[in-house]
Amino acid sequence: EEQLVESGGGLVQPGGSLRLSCAASEFTFNIYWLTWVRQAPGKGLEWVANIIQDGSEKYYVDSVKGRFTISRDNAKKSLYLQMNSLRVEDTAVYYCARNRTLDLWGQGTLVTVSS
Amino acid sequence: DIQMTQSPSSLSASVGDRVTITCRASQSINKYLNWYQQKPGKAPNLLISGASNLQSGVPSRFSGSGSGTDFSLTISSLQPEDFATYYCQQTYSVRMYTFGQGTKLEIK
Repeated sequence: EEQLVESGGGLVQPGGSLRLSCAASEFTFNIYWLTWVRQAPGKGLEWVANIIQDGSEKYYVDSVKGRFTISRDNAKKSLYLQMNSLRVEDTAVYYCARNRTLDLWGQGTLVTVSS
Repeated sequence: DIQMTQSPSSLSASVGDRVTITCRASQSINKYLNWYQQKPGKAPNLLISGASNLQSGVPSRFSGSGSGTDFSLTISSLQPEDFATYYCQQTYSVRMYTFGQGTKLEIK
């Protein structure tokens, strides 16, 4: 079964860092764009970042530019999101998703930024 | 940036009703429009891609239409499992995908 599984969420203080991971299984990882999407508690979906198949192009929502870095390791079939200088407003469930149509999603990992 | 305006934000309907949710883009996005369903505590699920392409396994009571700036999602006869929140999303520009605000579909 095709699957994406996120990990790395948790509680962090404002200004801190976290690295999220997304492990893929049962599909050809390196042919797809990959995306991070987040959802703050009780709120809607917000696109966070995209990365092209070979990692050479990366795009971010304005609110995370300069703080978050998306990356991938095709050999390990893994997607990452390095989050630095975290703010309270970054608190959300973070999802990884596959393809430009976001046709496969992980279950999400909760990031809580609080003192 | 491309903005997506989804309406209504909430909708009450009964089992068997026909409902339509609309999504408007701030500029033409051709047919790069997807629809997702999300149930509480779960990840979103892709229903329709490319404005009108029903995903495998999605019931045929769901349909999508539109191109350019105006799009719609229609559920022809609501079933109990359809009560959820629905989101549109543009993928016209890989530099910035954008979601609509969501439509919460509730039981009347």
